[in-house]
Amino acid sequence: GDSVTQMEGPVTLSEEAFLTINCTYTATGYPSLFWYVQYPGEGLQLLLKATKADDKGSNKGFEATYRKETTSFHLEKGSVQVSDSAVYFCALTPSGGGADGLTFGKGTHLIIQP
Amino acid sequence: NAGVTQTPKFRVLKTGQSMTLLCAQDMNHEYMYWYRQDPGMGLRLIHYSVGEGTTAKGEVPDGYNVSRLKKQNFLLGLESAAPSQTSVYFCASTHGLAGGYYNEQFFGPGTRLTVL
Repeated sequence: GDSVTQMEGPVTLSEEAFLTINCTYTATGYPSLFWYVQYPGEGLQLLLKATKADDKGSNKGFEATYRKETTSFHLEKGSVQVSDSAVYFCALTPSGGGADGLTFGKGTHLIIQP
Repeated sequence: NAGVTQTPKFRVLKTGQSMTLLCAQDMNHEYMYWYRQDPGMGLRLIHYSVGEGTTAKGEVPDGYNVSRLKKQNFLLGLESAAPSQTSVYFCASTHGLAGGYYNEQFFGPGTRLTVL
């Protein structure tokens, strides 16, 4: 079945540091890829998405590029802030959409220190 | 729009007790989902529904039942709670557009359930 693997946390960085959170997936065809963010005590919010190979999703300074050849969707940000501290989930849905739920990675806890 | 709401926010049960979690969405979404979130496990799909009156099993359905009597509501029931069901439960919904290439899901704030 489909699966998502992301780097284990916690990841601790200083403010203004460069961020990369790795995500790779296993799925047939061309799944849609997502990054969700969960702030403390809250539900998940969509951060960005990409629906086909070479698409770049971006939002709030975060970017991720859909790499079919390496089955990856790594999350990056050039300069992190304390307010970016949260848990980040990489996820996918199968090719063609449909009713299938999201398949999530286990989440990466990001801690940004002032 | 309130989006996706969940009640209750917190609940403590004793082993063997029953309860129902309510999810409501006001976005006229066709598809609704229940996930559970456990430390180090990410989110796992319990059950889902593709429309009023329909339900289907997800990855971890045992010990749970669901109902979708109205399009806007999706109920998750625990008939006889067990400590292994201690978790945070999230409801989500999405449009069910035919031919769509992605399904952006909108999540509720979660219900934290503890079973003693």
